[in-house]
Amino acid sequence: QQPVQSPQAVILREGEDAVINCSSSKALYSVHWYRQKHGEAPVFLMILLKGGEQKGHDKISASFNEKKQQSSLYLTASQLSYSGTYFCGTEGQGGSEKLVFGKGTKLTVNP
Amino acid sequence: KAGVTQTPRYLIKTRGQQVTLSCSPISGHRSVSWYQQTPGQGLQFLFEYFSETQRNKGNFPGRFSGRQFSNSRSEMNVSTLELGDSALYLCASRWYEGGETQYFGPGTRLLVL
Repeated sequence: QQPVQSPQAVILREGEDAVINCSSSKALYSVHWYRQKHGEAPVFLMILLKGGEQKGHDKISASFNEKKQQSSLYLTASQLSYSGTYFCGTEGQGGSEKLVFGKGTKLTVNP
Repeated sequence: KAGVTQTPRYLIKTRGQQVTLSCSPISGHRSVSWYQQTPGQGLQFLFEYFSETQRNKGNFPGRFSGRQFSNSRSEMNVSTLELGDSALYLCASRWYEGGETQYFGPGTRLLVL
């Protein structure tokens, strides 16, 4: 049950804001966000856990709606370094479940 | 602490051959997962190993297999390679269970000719 991300791509100018959404059809235990730059491995940004706990980057914010099984990543005052592909990964509530990822959202920040 | 390492980094094979990829997790991490990444498909989950046992499995054919050793190092094997197996194969490790941060290695780029 791969999560669905939207939008598929977004282009910003430096300083603009963006929101990336992630939704799942199953009950979730956690949502993980990663950013991948071209030719590099995905880098961890944030985890949101059922119950409200968050762990991650202090300059990035995200939300997790447990009832709707949806998460959103908020990128404010974007910088050129924010460019890359953002992936959300989800874990179900079954305990020791696999972490499955969406197809990604390509973010381009232009000067 | 050293990160996740994968070897080899690049590999060229021909159809019908088999290949073995290796992953060394971060010290102390007991869970290792493998993903296939192709353009437009994101990160497709292959399998996860924990304490030498396959804990989770994705929707890939039986040609894809893996194992984990007692030191948590993991190997992934693909037999009878097909052109469509060309991809970046990423390994990721985490300490134990859900809700823990998973760290990715640099990947092995496999090209099947």
